[in-house]
Amino acid sequence: KAGVTQTPRYLIKTRGQQVTLSCSPISGHRSVSWYQQTPGQGLQFLFEYFSETQRNKGNFPGRFSGRQFSNSRSEMNVSTLELGDSALYLCASSPSGGDVEQFFGPGTRLTVL
Amino acid sequence: GENVEQHPSTLSVQEGDSAVIKCTYSDSASNYFPWYKQELGKRPQLIIDIRSNVGEKKDQRIAVTLNKTAKHFSLHITETQPEDSAVYFCAAGSPYGNKLVFGAGTILRVKS
Repeated sequence: KAGVTQTPRYLIKTRGQQVTLSCSPISGHRSVSWYQQTPGQGLQFLFEYFSETQRNKGNFPGRFSGRQFSNSRSEMNVSTLELGDSALYLCASSPSGGDVEQFFGPGTRLTVL
Repeated sequence: GENVEQHPSTLSVQEGDSAVIKCTYSDSASNYFPWYKQELGKRPQLIIDIRSNVGEKKDQRIAVTLNKTAKHFSLHITETQPEDSAVYFCAAGSPYGNKLVFGAGTILRVKS
């Protein structure tokens, strides 16, 4: 099976812009979770989508949003970018819910100038 | 809120020695505890996991122990090798879907 893929891999934006990141899960996986990784804050949970519904949400402002399509592909959107949004954004997929392995994608490196 | 504390933040060991990383979680509802290894520039990869109904699990040189009463779990790597050098993250999983709360990470350096 193909692994989790994310596009684009690298992105440079300026403050105030918005950005959309995409994640394609492993075939058959219905759950997609998003994480932000920074040197200062580590790996932080953003949200999880399962069968097109947001099932869990982390403690991020409303500028961070996401959605999931019927084929389980997921997108996350960040509006009104701030310098502090510069990070590696990782998505992870798993077959269903709870206590099962999450498989991570390679990440999208977002730089906000 | 939910929190996972991980210690130490860095760990240097000699090749062949053992390495131990410890984590403590705050949410007593957590029922899944994975450990991920992340090499520089690469994605996190699961190396071992344990569920709340098990106290210990071993896979070759890697073992994890869980103490639910004390809310802590540990990773043990024996006979360390240079290729074990990486950042290791512990995490606690919610029973209500795939939300992982990660520890801050441990940089493991294995000196040959």
